[in-house]
Amino acid sequence: AQSVAQPEDQVNVAEGNPLTVKCTYSVSGNPYLFWYVQYPNRGLQFLLKYITGDNLVKGSYGFEAEFNKSQTSFHLKKPSALVSDSALYFCAVRNPSSAGNMLTFGGGTRLMVKP
Amino acid sequence: NAGVTQTPKFRILKIGQSMTLQCTQDMNHNYMYWYRQDPGMGLKLIYYSVGAGITDKGEVPNGYNVSRSTTEDFPLRLELAAPSQTSVYFCASRPGTSTDTQYFGPGTRLTVL
Repeated sequence: AQSVAQPEDQVNVAEGNPLTVKCTYSVSGNPYLFWYVQYPNRGLQFLLKYITGDNLVKGSYGFEAEFNKSQTSFHLKKPSALVSDSALYFCAVRNPSSAGNMLTFGGGTRLMVKP
Repeated sequence: NAGVTQTPKFRILKIGQSMTLQCTQDMNHNYMYWYRQDPGMGLKLIYYSVGAGITDKGEVPNGYNVSRSTTEDFPLRLELAAPSQTSVYFCASRPGTSTDTQYFGPGTRLTVL
């Protein structure tokens, strides 16, 4: 079975400061990892994914994520937070060997960026 | 491309009523999914389909039914609505390869009173 943990329900950051949203995963085999963002009253929007190759993945809106196999982590980062980054962020994992290649989502982390 | 579209955006049902949530995608994706998101919570998979004519249960299928007669459409049927089904429902689709990206619709907010 695969699982994702987002240990922080909420992350508070001041505008202009760097931000990190944490994600750890458990899966047998090589994982495919994803980050999604959900703005209020909207569906989930894809931010970035790690499949293979460079451990640092760059995505939309200036976000990036670092895959760390030894720590089974895939933390989302941004060098300088914007108030408009305030949203709910979901990490997800897929085991490519599993039936249906299902995505398993973490519980979400609310990011609050204050002016 | 419109992507994944869902109708209606909002709906209020009385206990015991039934309704169908519509989901359509125009990306010719093989895989489609229905999730529910309760307030402040993550996503729970209700049903999914890997192609027309093929559906399977997810984590929380009780009280719901689905069908997939075409590649484009994946309606979710609620029979005998209950307050516990008050939630936001999201449809999603993806092509069906192991490395692909899953795309979500805007959601349907359902309240059962």
